[in-house]
Amino acid sequence: NAGVTQTPKFQVLKTGQSMTLQCAQDMNHNSMYWYRQDPGMGLRLIYYSASEGTTDKGEVPNGYNVSRLNKREFSLRLESAAPSQTSVYFCASSEALAGGYEQYFGPGTRLTVT
Amino acid sequence: GENVEQHPSTLSVQEGDSAVIKCTYSDSASNYFPWYKQELGKRPQLIIDIRSNVGEKKDQRIAVTLNKTAKHFSLHITETQPEDSAVYFCAAHSPSGTYKYIFGTGTRLKVLA
Repeated sequence: NAGVTQTPKFQVLKTGQSMTLQCAQDMNHNSMYWYRQDPGMGLRLIYYSASEGTTDKGEVPNGYNVSRLNKREFSLRLESAAPSQTSVYFCASSEALAGGYEQYFGPGTRLTVT
Repeated sequence: GENVEQHPSTLSVQEGDSAVIKCTYSDSASNYFPWYKQELGKRPQLIIDIRSNVGEKKDQRIAVTLNKTAKHFSLHITETQPEDSAVYFCAAHSPSGTYKYIFGTGTRLKVLA
């Protein structure tokens, strides 16, 4: 039982390049999330998927797109990377979107955009 | 807009002393308040949580209190140990909120041996 896994662990991009961050969970959770973490700003929700087939914007969605490929996988795509997207990205999952369900986080992807 | 404020941003305590971290939320519809611990270079992990129909919850040396009227909640760690040193984040979940989960900006706790 690996929990939540993310790939890659580290990535360096040049401005304007694109990439996709992959996330998978093996806990049969319905809800999945993408956060970014910047120094002094805590975790900010980028997008979330309440259940398979649905996605919604979070607090900071600009410059990102997501795909809920199936119940296990939720990917985050940067179409044209900008230096402001330099951050640590965490994927998380929970049994349901409703309050009271623990969010389990992946190990994170450290992205640098030059 | 929806917001969670967390204080203090840094906290140093002597080993064995207590530590208190406070958060205030803005959305009165928030109904779930988790606390996460994040060690350097690691992922956030849930340490305790509380629902809006409960005023206090305790788990060994950790407790959380919630005051719905004032819209604030606090994390209490007693008998602190060096391994408690980490960054702690509070969060608020609102089922009707636009952003669903709002996190505080974190408190770096240092327990001095």
